[in-house]
Order: sequence, then structure tokens, then C-alpha cells
Amino acid sequence: NAGVTQTPKFRILKIGQSMTLQCTQDMNHNYMYWYRQDPGMGLKLIYYSVGAGITDKGEVPNGYNVSRSTTEDFPLRLELAAPSQTSVYFCASSGDSNNEKLFFGSGTQLSVL
Amino acid sequence: GNSVTQMEGPVTLSEEAFLTINCTYTATGYPSLFWYVQYPGEGLQLLLKATKADDKGSNKGFEATYRKETTSFHLEKGSVQVSDSAVYFCALMPSGGYNKLIFGAGTRLAVHP
Repeated sequence: NAGVTQTPKFRILKIGQSMTLQCTQDMNHNYMYWYRQDPGMGLKLIYYSVGAGITDKGEVPNGYNVSRSTTEDFPLRLELAAPSQTSVYFCASSGDSNNEKLFFGSGTQLSVL
Repeated sequence: GNSVTQMEGPVTLSEEAFLTINCTYTATGYPSLFWYVQYPGEGLQLLLKATKADDKGSNKGFEATYRKETTSFHLEKGSVQVSDSAVYFCALMPSGGYNKLIFGAGTRLAVHP
């Protein structure tokens, strides 16, 4: 089973550039999440979605946008990349029962120079 | 608010040593508690969980007990192996919160032969 797939694995951006991080899951999960992981820090929630067409901000949404047009896909958009967005980004999904575990993708390492 | 505090790493142990990684939390209501593990170059994966006070989660020789009186969820293993080398994250899931996780900073464990 593929689970949660993220692309690309690595990317270097220049300040001011834009890009989209792709995330897709094949488990028919309604809930999906984007987290960022800074060195020595825990994961911080950027955005989440509880179903197609529904998204909401997490703890650190500034500088990012998301969309959820299908159950499978949850892309994360950076419009004007800044050095502060250098991080490792993880997409995750879960079923919508209470206390369901999250399934994580393998991450995207992004550097903004 | 909700938060998780973990002991700082790295924790360096010899094979077959006893492991404890401390985790305490602050939360409103009745959260569920989780330990996730991240192996090098991979996304996080669930190690164990406990959904109510006095529950014990266990998996692969690891254990943690949900202690509401001390707001703790310490991770233990009686005899670690080299293959347990990874970063361990304690996390809480607030009740009624769409399975969103709040993570501690993570503790890196290095086990030497």
C-alpha cells in the first residue's frame, strides 16, 4: 500500500519564489494535515482539512495556502518563499473516528536561500 | 492551552540498557496521549497510545502509562537495541479536535553496541 505520498523530497527555492508541495493518500481518509518540523523542535500544524472542500488554519498558517478539491489530494502552496520557511514538511492523514492514529508521508525538505 | 514537554536529548545508551524518556503535558479536558517514532529519513509512525487515565500503551517492548495525577506519559523499554535508535515524539490529541496532534520537541535516542 502506498499510504501517504509526498513530492518532491527535496527542493531549494530562492526568496520570493513560489511552489506547491504535493500530498496524496490512498486510504480514503477524510482528515488530512500539513506539519512543519524545524530543527530541534516538534512538529507544528500549518493547515488541516476534515474533508473535500473544507480547510482550516493550524498553529502556523502565515505564508501558506491549501486546497482540498478531492479526498485524496491536499496540496500546500507557498506563494512568496522566505528563509523562515526553510523546514521539513510532513503531510499526514487519519480516519475520522476519535483518537485515530495519523499516517505520515516521508517528508519534503525545503530550503529557501 | 495544550502543550507537551519532553526531556532533552540526545540520550545515548548501550545495547540492552533500560530506557526512560520523560514526557509531561498540559491540557484542558481529557486528551489522548501518543508516542511517535521517526527513523532517519522517514516520516513519523505511531509507536503506542493511551486514550484515558491509567491506560497503558505498549508495542515492540515499549510501554507508557497515562498518569493524570502527574500529567505524565513516560516512555520505557527494558532492554534497548541498536535498531531502536531514532527520534521519539510525545504528543497529545485534544478531545473533539479532529485528531489534531500537539507534539513535544522530540528526543533523539542513540543506542551503541
